[in-house]
Amino acid sequence: NAGVTQTPKFQVLKTGQSMTLQCAQDMNHEYMSWYRQDPGMGLRLIHYSVGAGITDQGEVPNGYNVSRSTTEDFPLRLLSAAPSQTSVYFCASSPSSSSYNSPLHFGNGTRLTVT
Amino acid sequence: KNEVEQSPQNLTAQEGEFITINCSYSVGISALHWLQQHPGGGIVSLFMLSSGKKKHGRLIATINIQEKHSSLHITASHPRDSAVYICAVWPGTASKLTFGTGTRLQVTL
Repeated sequence: NAGVTQTPKFQVLKTGQSMTLQCAQDMNHEYMSWYRQDPGMGLRLIHYSVGAGITDQGEVPNGYNVSRSTTEDFPLRLLSAAPSQTSVYFCASSPSSSSYNSPLHFGNGTRLTVT
Repeated sequence: KNEVEQSPQNLTAQEGEFITINCSYSVGISALHWLQQHPGGGIVSLFMLSSGKKKHGRLIATINIQEKHSSLHITASHPRDSAVYICAVWPGTASKLTFGTGTRLQVTL
């Protein structure tokens, strides 16, 4: 099993460009989530999904879209990149939608710079 | 005030020392996670606790639900333990983890 796979590892965008961060897991996990990590701050939840076809907003959803058409994939779309979205992004998954009782599996992260 | 507070923010120890990292939270929770983030950036789940104590190798995690406090202990610390340790909680029934800002541990020879 590959676990949680995030691509790309690094990305540089210009202000206003759009892009999609990919996240895929091969563990048949119900719960998937996206976080951003900024210096001096804890990981913050952007969007999450408790199963295919179901998504919900986290703490910092503005400027980001998600979809969950399959159990395996949970892409994060930046609609019009802004310098404030410069960050390291992590995707994570968990076996159960009641994921408080399940360990989290993280991808290796995507370092995004918006100029 | 953050819902999850960790202390200390930074910690330097010599190899072999016993290390304690603390996590306090202000909301009722379903479970608490301890995570490890290595200098390369990857994040690994160490423990998931809803009560009591768990041990894995040289790592021990405890939680006191009444006092809203958890500790992560590392016995016989080693330079390979150098990492950022992150506490995260599931508040109640919400499907949203809340994270502390992490404790940066440096273990020297």
